[in-house]
Amino acid sequence: VQLQESGPGLLKPSETLSLTCTLSGGSISTYYWSWIRQPPGKGLEFIGHIFYNGSTVYNPSVRSRVIMSVDRSRRQFSLELRSVTAGDTAVYYCARYTWLGVRAFDIWGLGTRVTVSS
Amino acid sequence: EIVLTQSPGTLSLSPGDRATLFCRASQSVSGNFLAWYQQKPGQAPRLLIYGASNRAIDMPDRFSGSGSGTDFTLTISRLEPEDFGVYFCQHYGRSPPVTFGQGTRLEIK
Repeated sequence: VQLQESGPGLLKPSETLSLTCTLSGGSISTYYWSWIRQPPGKGLEFIGHIFYNGSTVYNPSVRSRVIMSVDRSRRQFSLELRSVTAGDTAVYYCARYTWLGVRAFDIWGLGTRVTVSS
Repeated sequence: EIVLTQSPGTLSLSPGDRATLFCRASQSVSGNFLAWYQQKPGQAPRLLIYGASNRAIDMPDRFSGSGSGTDFTLTISRLEPEDFGVYFCQHYGRSPPVTFGQGTRLEIK
């Protein structure tokens, strides 16, 4: 099972960040599909995740700006983050949260660097 | 809101040493939802321990986790050169749904 993020690496303030994560191998069903970011030199921040059936859980810190979606037929899930600022500059990871048994983020993508700058 | 505080911030040890890393929750949490991750420079985090004490697939048995309530520990029995990096604890709860500790940097002495 592998995850791969894709999307633009550079945005201007106020633009919308759009990232997609593609699943290779495994099943998209019965898992939560997550977005986690890491600002330069800092720790990890959970953005949110989407269950395979489309239900979502967002971090309150970004809830007003974020939309997640899942396309089961294409084995992809996506993140949209509106009105970005320099504070959204980070490496963005997609990850699988396994809630049956493991209850942890057990598969991670390599990450994609996003810079917000005018 | 649950806050996870990791200590020490940095741990300087030599290969062959024993490493003990701590994660303290601001209120009692279920160990079923407590995990540890290892992150090496330029890489994504990797799951080490889930359910506070269960090793993830392919993790060497020199890694072990323990704890309950508010205090959790990650122990590396004998450090190998590839074990150096940053370690994060993480909890899945309600609000916020996911919390990470700030990380412990394990560096070569």
